[in-house]
Amino acid sequence: AQKITQTQPGMFVQEKEAVTLDCTYDTSDQSYGLFWYKQPSSGEMIFLIYQGSYDEQNATEGRYSLNFQKARKSANLVISASQLGDSAMYFCAMREGQNYGQNFVFGPGTRLSVLP
Amino acid sequence: DADVTQTPRNRITKTGKRIMLECSQTKGHDRMYWYRQDPGLGLRLIYYSFDVKDINKGEISDGYSVSRQAQAKFSLSLESAIPNQTALYFCATSDLGGREAFFGQGTRLTVV
Repeated sequence: AQKITQTQPGMFVQEKEAVTLDCTYDTSDQSYGLFWYKQPSSGEMIFLIYQGSYDEQNATEGRYSLNFQKARKSANLVISASQLGDSAMYFCAMREGQNYGQNFVFGPGTRLSVLP
Repeated sequence: DADVTQTPRNRITKTGKRIMLECSQTKGHDRMYWYRQDPGLGLRLIYYSFDVKDINKGEISDGYSVSRQAQAKFSLSLESAIPNQTALYFCATSDLGGREAFFGQGTRLTVV
């Protein structure tokens, strides 16, 4: 079974609007971490935001926020005020287990295109 | 300078050749990883290491080997490259607390 599901292969958003990228995960562990990465066309993987399973507040980093709904096992990324430079692939990832760092599991990614 | 540096950035090699991809980091992290990325498949874990004496196989380790020469260095070898190992390879590091994880710039490997 897929550990990380990203159901949107591609998304379009108008510049300056907000967009939500979906991510659902599957784990039986109580301790886990959720990450979002951005991969522009140049190929590097850029860390955006992190949410721990015990964090009570939703994570925010500038224009990025993570809508964490633990009971639903979802960790959607919200990008506010989209910019042309936000066009990229976005990957949701999970690290699970008490032994942090054992493995990252990645979703297949969502390609976001920001329209002028 | 980047926190996680991979060399080479691009490489074309012939089937059957041995090739090594190198990774070094300045983050001081104990944990290092090698992933490969194929279109539509996201990133898949090849090997990971929790410290210099600890090496573990990941999801797709067949055809690969690794060496953790020091805390800061983790290299990936393809003993006899084959065309379906053509991919984008990433090295990553993470801290013990689990809240940080950083990737290198990637190595684009083509096996012809």
